[in-house]
Amino acid sequence: DAGVIQSPRHEVTEMGQEVTLRCKPISGHDYLFWYRQTMMRGLELLIYFNNNVPIDDSGMPEDRFSAKMPNASFSTLKIQPSEPRDSAVYFCASRNTAGGRKLFFGSGTQLSVL
Amino acid sequence: DQQVKQNSPSLSVQEGRISILNCDYTNSMFDYFLWYKKYPAEGPTFLISISSIKDKNEDGRFTVFLNKSAKHLSLHIVPSQPGDSAVYFCAASGSEKLVFGKGMKLTVNP
Repeated sequence: DAGVIQSPRHEVTEMGQEVTLRCKPISGHDYLFWYRQTMMRGLELLIYFNNNVPIDDSGMPEDRFSAKMPNASFSTLKIQPSEPRDSAVYFCASRNTAGGRKLFFGSGTQLSVL
Repeated sequence: DQQVKQNSPSLSVQEGRISILNCDYTNSMFDYFLWYKKYPAEGPTFLISISSIKDKNEDGRFTVFLNKSAKHLSLHIVPSQPGDSAVYFCAASGSEKLVFGKGMKLTVNP
């Protein structure tokens, strides 16, 4: 079984540019989460979806961040415009209701904003 | 405010000895707790969990203990192996979300 798939693995961009991170959750999973990992804050939840609907976006740092889930097999996290302080590892995770609260994570996208 | 705290950033132990990783939480609504392990350049992977109705859960070399009155949980790894060297995250949940600590780096020396 394929796990959670994220792309790209690495992204280097310049300040002010738009960045789009992509995620394909595990088939059959009805929850999708976006987390960001930094040294200072650890793993922090940005937003999560249930059945493609955003449920809680209170962790999204500011309006420059947006996330969509147009269907059950795809989600994007967009940063526009990007800033150097957005540099971090961004993880996507998914789970299904029947499996309890255990999350399955992708390998992450290492974002560097210069 | 950090609801889940891993106060020690790192731990180094000898192969074969016990590793004890600690975690504290502040939210009394949390009722489910998990430990994840993370290798460099990989995503976190699930290790073990415990519900608040229990105070101990074992899975092979890994045991998680929960002390609800102290709002404290710990992960014991016995015996520790070099392959256990990784960053360990404690997580807690009271709803659909998981709240993670900052992580602790475990190094097991041969």
